[in-house]
This record gives sequence, C-alpha cells and structure tokens, in this order.
Amino acid sequence: GDSVTQMEGPVTLSEEAFLTINCTYTATGYPSLFWYVQYPGEGLQLLLKATKADDKGSNKGFEATYRKETTSFHLEKGSVQVSDSAVYFCALSPPYNTDKLIFGTGTRLQVFP
Amino acid sequence: SQTIHQWPATLVQPVGSPLSLECTVEGTSNPNLYWYRQAAGRGLQLLFYSVGIGQISSEVPQNLSASRPQDRQFILSSKKLLLSDSGFYLCAWSVWGRDTEAFFGQGTRLTVV
Repeated sequence: GDSVTQMEGPVTLSEEAFLTINCTYTATGYPSLFWYVQYPGEGLQLLLKATKADDKGSNKGFEATYRKETTSFHLEKGSVQVSDSAVYFCALSPPYNTDKLIFGTGTRLQVFP
Repeated sequence: SQTIHQWPATLVQPVGSPLSLECTVEGTSNPNLYWYRQAAGRGLQLLFYSVGIGQISSEVPQNLSASRPQDRQFILSSKKLLLSDSGFYLCAWSVWGRDTEAFFGQGTRLTVV
C-alpha cells in the first residue's frame, strides 16, 4: 500500500546550520506530497506542498522538491532558527483516492543557539 | 472562519471501559473528516476517514470504531478499551478534492490504565 518513510530523529542542529530531513514515498501513480509541522504544544499545520513531479513547495524559508525518479520529497532549509524546533511530518495523498492523507512517522528537529 | 473542536483534551480510562471522543467542525459544509493516532515511535497513523454522513473508511483493524451521525460531527468509540489504545488522538478535516490542506484539532491524550 501507499506509505511514507522519514528519517529518524531527533535531528539536532546549531542555529544557522543547513537542514535536510529526508522523505521517500511509495505510491501508485503520482500522489500529492506535503510537509506538516507540529510546534511544541500546538496542532499540526501545513508547511508546504507539491502536487506534481518537479514542483517545488516553499514556505518560511523551507523548500521541498517533488522528485519522481527517486520518489522523494526532502525538506530543506538553508539556515535554521531556534524557533524551527518542532516535529516535521511528510505526507501524501494518493491520486486514486484524494480523500486519504497518509503521514510518515515524523522527525523531531531540535535547534540550539 | 472554520474551526475544529475536539474533546476532551485528556482522558484516563480503565481497561475494559467504553470510549467516546467527539470532534466537531464549524464554518464549512461536507468536510472530509479524519481520526489519527499519534503514538511514540509510530508517528501519525490514519485510523478512519469519512467523506460524508454515515460513510466511514477504516484503515487499521483494531478495537476502535468511528461514526459520523451529522455532517460536521465525527465520533471515535470503543466498547472495551485495551492498554494498547493509549495514545494521542487527533481529529482533522479537509475540503473534498485533491491537494487540499488538512486542519487538525488540538488532540486528546488518552491513557488506559
């Protein structure tokens, strides 16, 4: 079945370091891909999305590119801040059933000053 | 504007007792509704989703059930709780269609003792 695999955390970085959180997916056809973020004490919220191959989603300095050839959607940020500390979830919506939203296990990011 | 309400925020229940968690959405019609469980080390697991009144899709066979008695009401239930039902339960809604954002409630922390 469709699934999302994320790198295990926690990812620990110093402020202004470069961030990559890996995400790969397994799906039939071409799903839509998402990154959600859960800040401490808050609910999940959409960070960015991409709906077709080679699309790049971006928001708040984060970027992710939909790579069909590697079935990946890695999250990147050039310079992280302490306020980016959160849990990041990669997710997909299958093309055959757009009502489903399947999440990965989440990756905790901890940024220290 | 749309809002999602989920209650209770925390719940401690003995093994074998029944469960009822309620989620309601305001400010939108005919939303897709979702129940997820967030467990340590397992990320965000889709339990049930619904595209309309009385329409429930189950993703994981288990001790839980869901119902949608009204358009904007989604209930998660169990007749007899197990220790393994402990976790953090999240309700979410989205608009029907591809690539739409899901909006999450604040969650219910369930501890089965």
